Amino acid sequence: GQNIDQPTEMTATEGAIVQINCTYQTSGFNGLFWYQQHAGEAPTFLSYNVLDGLEEKGRFSSFLSRSKGYSYLLLKELQMKDSASYLCAVFDSNYQLIWGAGTKLIIKP
Amino acid sequence: GAGVSQSPSNKVTEKGKDVELRCDPISGHTALYWYRQSLGQGLEFLIYFQGNSAPDKSGLPSDRFSAERTGGSVSTLTIQRTQQEDSAVYLCASSVKGGGTEAFFGQGTRLTVV
Repeated sequence: GQNIDQPTEMTATEGAIVQINCTYQTSGFNGLFWYQQHAGEAPTFLSYNVLDGLEEKGRFSSFLSRSKGYSYLLLKELQMKDSASYLCAVFDSNYQLIWGAGTKLIIKP
Repeated sequence: GAGVSQSPSNKVTEKGKDVELRCDPISGHTALYWYRQSLGQGLEFLIYFQGNSAPDKSGLPSDRFSAERTGGSVSTLTIQRTQQEDSAVYLCASSVKGGGTEAFFGQGTRLTVV
C-alpha cells in the first residue's frame, strides 16, 4: 500500500529553526509537495521537489532524497504565525496526490 | 474563475437527508480531488478525477457517497441519507496533470449533520 509518515506534533520556540520530516512509500513518484494549513482554512502550497536536493524559498527550505524516500521541510527564524499544520504529499505514478496526516507545529514565545 | 470555488460554504442538514456539494475547479485543470477533513485530522481522500479516465473512487467511505464530474469541469459530491459521522469539512482541489504544479484548494464546505 501507499504510505506517508510524518510526526503528529512538534513544538519549537519563536526565532528558532525546526525540521519536519516526511518519509514515503508510494507506487511511483512524480514529485513531493509541502503544504501549510492554518486551523479552519484550506491548505496552501509551500514547496515542490522532484529532484534530489534542497530547494530554498525565503525562510522555508525543502529537501528531497528519492533513494531514501525522504523529505524534510526546514523553517528558519520561526514566527508565531508559523503555528499551523504542515502536510507532506506525493504525486504517485498516476499523478494522484497521496497525503500524510500532517504535522501540527506549535510555536512558543 | 481565478481559484477553486466550492458551494455552499456551510451546510446544516438533518440526519437522513441527501446533500449535494459543488466544486468548480480552475479552468483547464484536468485533475480534481475530493477530500474530507474532520476537526484536527488530516486529509481523507475520497475520489480523484483525471481527464476522461475512469475516476478513482477507492476513498469513498460507503455507497451513500457518489461523485460526478460533468464535461471535465464542475464536480458534484452527493451524500445520501446523511449520518452524523458525515459531519466534516469537504475540500476540493484541482491541478494540471503532469506534475510540477501544485494542487489548488477551494475553501471547503463545512457540513454539519444534526
